[in-house]
Amino acid sequence: SYELTQPLSVSVALGQTATITCGGNNIGSRNVHWYQKKPDQAPVLVIYRDYNRPSGIPERFSGSNSGNTATLTISRAQAGDEADFYCQVWDNNTYVFGSGTKVTVL
Amino acid sequence: ELQLLESGGGLVRPGGSLRLSCAASGFTFSTYAMNWVRLTPGKGLEWVSVISGSGVRTFYADSVKGRFSVSRDNSKNIMYLQMNNLRADDTAIYYCAKSITVTSHFDFWGRGTLVTVSS
Repeated sequence: SYELTQPLSVSVALGQTATITCGGNNIGSRNVHWYQKKPDQAPVLVIYRDYNRPSGIPERFSGSNSGNTATLTISRAQAGDEADFYCQVWDNNTYVFGSGTKVTVL
Repeated sequence: ELQLLESGGGLVRPGGSLRLSCAASGFTFSTYAMNWVRLTPGKGLEWVSVISGSGVRTFYADSVKGRFSVSRDNSKNIMYLQMNNLRADDTAIYYCAKSITVTSHFDFWGRGTLVTVSS
């Protein structure tokens, strides 16, 4: 089965840039989606099909995907961006989520 | 306003059954695929099942195949998840989420319902 690898945690200083990676075999050939999950809240889609932002998601969130790594970038990080982030792909009639990355804003 | 409201969670013994519901409003329910996703502290988000808008196509995670069954009633705007032979590792918050097609991203999620499997 297809596996997605994410770092367990990422720390970023307030106002700086956080980079969250999602590794997978030739992931660049797939559509990657990203979700933000805050405690006691429903997950929220922040990036779909590699780099597209849903309406209402700040431009500070951006995505890219190439080779074996997809990346979610959070620019000008704010305290409210603290959350778990998950990448996702469709593979062989199933969805696969990455293990999740906890983003801490210092 | 878009709404997805899960219900039916609770405490159940290992080997028992439970049926979850997801009531939808604010969009044309029958034209969207619907998904179940669960969240556990140790494993994060885990996709469980998807059903197409018409209900004809369904897919399941290997971990629940043969035990869980997804269905929908488009006349009532409700999706169901019948869970049988429940195990301790099925304990999780279960979310429903909508997607344009069976293979596309989840553009809106409900707030979830807690299922606890314990003796």
